[in-house]
Amino acid sequence: DGGITQSPKYLFRKEGQNVTLSCEQNLNHDAMYWYRQDPGQGLRLIYYSQIVNDFQKGDIAEGYSVSREKKESFPLTVTSAQKNPTAFYLCASSMNSGANVLTFGAGSRLTVL
Amino acid sequence: AQSVTQPDIHITVSEGASLELRCNYSYGATPYLFWYVQSPGQGLQLLLKYFSGDTLVQGIKGFEAEFKRSQSSFNLRKPSVHWSDAAEYFCAVGVWSGTASKLTFGTGTRLQVTL
Repeated sequence: DGGITQSPKYLFRKEGQNVTLSCEQNLNHDAMYWYRQDPGQGLRLIYYSQIVNDFQKGDIAEGYSVSREKKESFPLTVTSAQKNPTAFYLCASSMNSGANVLTFGAGSRLTVL
Repeated sequence: AQSVTQPDIHITVSEGASLELRCNYSYGATPYLFWYVQSPGQGLQLLLKYFSGDTLVQGIKGFEAEFKRSQSSFNLRKPSVHWSDAAEYFCAVGVWSGTASKLTFGTGTRLQVTL
């Protein structure tokens, strides 16, 4: 079955370290997204990408970076510049042809020690 | 910019009782509206969506929602709640920018079901 795979499910890192979260989709979707979820704040958009080799900042891009070298993959790097990185991170994808439904992965929980 | 308000942070209902979760949005044009459900530690699953047409939309698991333009609302309802419905529910408004679908989410309503 098609879907979105996020890894790792749980990740711990020390302050000052960069960490990369993986997101892979086999839905043949054009667009991919990264959201951050914090308790009581809903989901906030970090970055999104409509096509390969192109991506746009979302509402809270500071301290994060992404790449889109393949249609299927959209990894997110949480850099040491992100002041409060402990959160639940969700990757999503959609077709690029109008107001389409986002399909979400199961998420990755990052904890900074 | 669009925004979504879910005024109820936490709701508790008895199994078999009816349910209504409130959602109000702010957007200058006709929005695309969604309800998603999330179980603890999991991703989001789409319950239903409204793009245009009939203002009463049916979704999965027996849920429905009604779009009321005059009230800027898109409330989620279910006639009889099951214990498995306990989860967090998110309302979202979507904007098609011509290149990507950008969703703005509410802060969520956590549903607890008592037996």
